Amino acid sequence: DARVTQTPRDKVTEMGQEVTMRCQPILGHNTVFWYRQTMMQGLELLAYFRNRAPLDDSGMPKDRFSAEMPDATLATLKIQPSEPRDSAVYFCASGTYPDSRWTQYFGPGTRLLVL
Amino acid sequence: DQQVKQNSPSLSVQEGRISILNCDYTNSMFDYFLWYKKYPAEGPTFLISISSIKDKNEDGRFTVFLNKSAKHLSLHIVPSQPGDSAVYFCAASDRTYKYIFGTGTRLKVLA
Repeated sequence: DARVTQTPRDKVTEMGQEVTMRCQPILGHNTVFWYRQTMMQGLELLAYFRNRAPLDDSGMPKDRFSAEMPDATLATLKIQPSEPRDSAVYFCASGTYPDSRWTQYFGPGTRLLVL
Repeated sequence: DQQVKQNSPSLSVQEGRISILNCDYTNSMFDYFLWYKKYPAEGPTFLISISSIKDKNEDGRFTVFLNKSAKHLSLHIVPSQPGDSAVYFCAASDRTYKYIFGTGTRLKVLA
């Protein structure tokens, strides 16, 4: 049963600290998405990778957020420095191109609370 | 500017009855729409989709209707079951990988 995994599942940190979230896409999937869920905005796309190359990060606050794929089995999302308004659930999703237009498989999410 | 809107944050329905979840969009370039279901502490899972060339798509108890002129889609669940209790997100795409999601509707099916 192939699944997207995300770590940590929960993170509580203080304002100004660095936060790193990790995602392991489903083996064989070549597209990775980072989303953020907030009550007001629903699910927002932060960044999109295809074959490990970043194709779109227009949804991300550039001054503090960064997303990378060091290898095909790991995607990271970093926030430095973190702020209380970053508190949200962050989801990673993976798929195959071009099928990921129709089907994306989501991980369980990382719940971030910045105090 | 919310391009995809789910105006009902919550909905309660009796078991066995029909659940109707609504979604409105503003961008006429959207040509593909999906519904995702999300249980607590889990990621969203794909439920059903519809292309703009259709006005209805059915999968078991789930049917999605698309009204392009009204820029409106709806998800019908018949009959509703307690296991359907979840948050439902609609999403729309304009020929790219980029989906715009609504804020979700929490459905509660009462036994």
